[in-house]
Parts: sequence; structure tokens; C-alpha cells
Amino acid sequence: EIVLTQSPATLSLSPGERATLSCRASQSVSSYLAWYQQKPGQAPRLLIYDASNRATGIPARFSGSGSGTDFTLTISSLEPEDFAVYYCQQRSNWPPHYSFGQGTKLEIK
Amino acid sequence: EVQLVESGGGLVQPGGSLRLSCAASGFTVSSNYMSWVRQAPGKGLEWVSVIYSGGSTYYADSVKGRFTISRHNSKNTLYLQMNSLRAEDTAVYYCARGSVATHNWFDPWGQGTLVTVSS
Repeated sequence: EIVLTQSPATLSLSPGERATLSCRASQSVSSYLAWYQQKPGQAPRLLIYDASNRATGIPARFSGSGSGTDFTLTISSLEPEDFAVYYCQQRSNWPPHYSFGQGTKLEIK
Repeated sequence: EVQLVESGGGLVQPGGSLRLSCAASGFTVSSNYMSWVRQAPGKGLEWVSVIYSGGSTYYADSVKGRFTISRHNSKNTLYLQMNSLRAEDTAVYYCARGSVATHNWFDPWGQGTLVTVSS
């Protein structure tokens, strides 16, 4: 089973600053990695799929990069609505299994 | 509009059973990979189960043998039958559709339904 490790656990930044979130896989997942945003009391929302593709309606300030075992989610200039928890996720074909990272909480400094 | 709406959550005693439902609109459940994902209070996301379009089903080790995923094609609804419930099954349960072509990510998600296992 592939384990995803996110860092940091908490990131404290101010609006307008750049955020860089990391996700490391215990073995290669090629480019098959997704990122989600979750706000309190809400379901997760897909941000990025296949490591670097923005989902429909996601602002251009969100970008993803990486392949293999190391991935990054970057928010170029934080807006007030971006403060939330972010999860990375991957799928294993066999045995069929989906894994999530433990999450990074992005909080207002 | 593509939408998922869960129902069926509630308070249940340890050892009890509960069936969750997830009604879909805007797409056909039986043509997609459909999953259940849960989130314990204050914790992260945990994948629970998936049903493939062909009908194959798979489970996380933590629920294998206790939970059963299924679907009703004419009702366009996904289910999760949960038996032998434990305190550690307490969570918000989300249904989610696997990505249409590759099945590698989840979009959309339902709003979730809370299951509390307590005496």
C-alpha cells in the first residue's frame, strides 16, 4: 500500500503570500496524484488532477507540479477564501485502493 | 447538474447496523466507479470502498467483512450497508464518483452524512 506524507502539517501565512504544500509518496505514483481543498463543514473539492491539471472552475493561482514520489501544490497569492485544509490522494490499481495524505492546514497568520 | 446526495446516517449502538444511500443525478451510477470515503471527527480522509462499473467491489481492510457496497441501477443510487459497527466507525461518510476516464480521483462528492456509533 502506498503511503502519502504531507508537509508541513500546518502552514501559517498572510493573504497575498505564496503557499507551497508538499506531498511525498512511499513509492512512485507516476503523475497520478490529485489535490483537494476542504473547508470546515464542507465536502472536499477537487483542485488538481494528474499532478498538474486544474479542475473545472479552479482559479489560476492554484498550480500543481511533480511526478514519481514528490509533488507540490502552490497557491501563488493567497486569497482569504484559500485558508482551508488540503489533501493529496492517489489510486493503486492492485490491490484496488485509494490513499489520502494526512492533510495540511493552511491558516491565517 | 452532476450531484450526489447522501442520507441514512444517525446514531447507532456498537454492534448495530445502518444503511447509507447516495442518490445521484446528472449521470449514471452504474456507468462509473463509485466510492465511499469517510472522515472521523477532526481527522483526515479515509477511503472505505469502491464499486466498479462492471460490478466488482473492493474494501479498505478496516471495514472488510463488515461493510457492503452496492447500487440500484433503476434508482441510480449507491448504498453502503454497515454491520457490526464499532465506535471507530464514527465519521462523516461521503460518496464520490471516480473520474470518468481514468477513475484515479474523485469528483464530485456528496455533502456527507454523519454516522455516530455510541451506546
